[in-house]
Amino acid sequence: DVQMTQSPSNLAASPGESVSINCKASKSISKYLAWYQQKPGKANKLLIYSGSTLQSGTPSRFSGSGSGTDFTLTIRNLEPEDFGLYYCQQHNEYPPTFGAGTKLELK
Amino acid sequence: EVQLVESGGGLVQPGRSLKLSCVASGFTFSNYGMNWIRQAPGKGLEWVAYISSGSSYIYYAETVKGRFTISRDNAKNTLYLQMTSLRSEDTALYYCARVYSSYILFDYWGQGVMVTVSS
Repeated sequence: DVQMTQSPSNLAASPGESVSINCKASKSISKYLAWYQQKPGKANKLLIYSGSTLQSGTPSRFSGSGSGTDFTLTIRNLEPEDFGLYYCQQHNEYPPTFGAGTKLELK
Repeated sequence: EVQLVESGGGLVQPGRSLKLSCVASGFTFSNYGMNWIRQAPGKGLEWVAYISSGSSYIYYAETVKGRFTISRDNAKNTLYLQMTSLRSEDTALYYCARVYSSYILFDYWGQGVMVTVSS
């Protein structure tokens, strides 16, 4: 199985700032990396897939980059609703595997 | 509006069985592959099983293979997960999730149903 290593585990930031979350695959997954947001009481939300393609409804302040084994999620001009948990997931092969998550907290 | 509503969870003793259901609405259920994904308390997400739209293709995580069975009833817009020989490590919030296009990813998720395996 492809192991996904996500960093950092925790991140504190203020509204208006920019943050980056990294995800590293144990082998090449081409461009097939997705990012999800998880918030209490809400359904998990697909933000980005294929490395950099924004899912419909994802604000443009979110962006994804990378290919092969190294990927980054960047959130610019943080809004209050952006705080929560973020997971990466490789969608190159079965079984799909997730990173351990990054908790984005309000500073 | 797409909705996925899971049910059937609860407290069960190790070695026993439990069947989860997920009722779908707001889209043509029979056109989409579906998955079960779980999250142990305080842990990350773990994919459990996939079933194609017509049930022709089914995949399982190695951790549940031989113990869990995914199925669907397209006439009832319902996805199922039959869980047998349950272990304490199966304790988790179980989500059903819809496949996005032809990709191995998930565009709509339910709120989840809790399964606790304990004596």
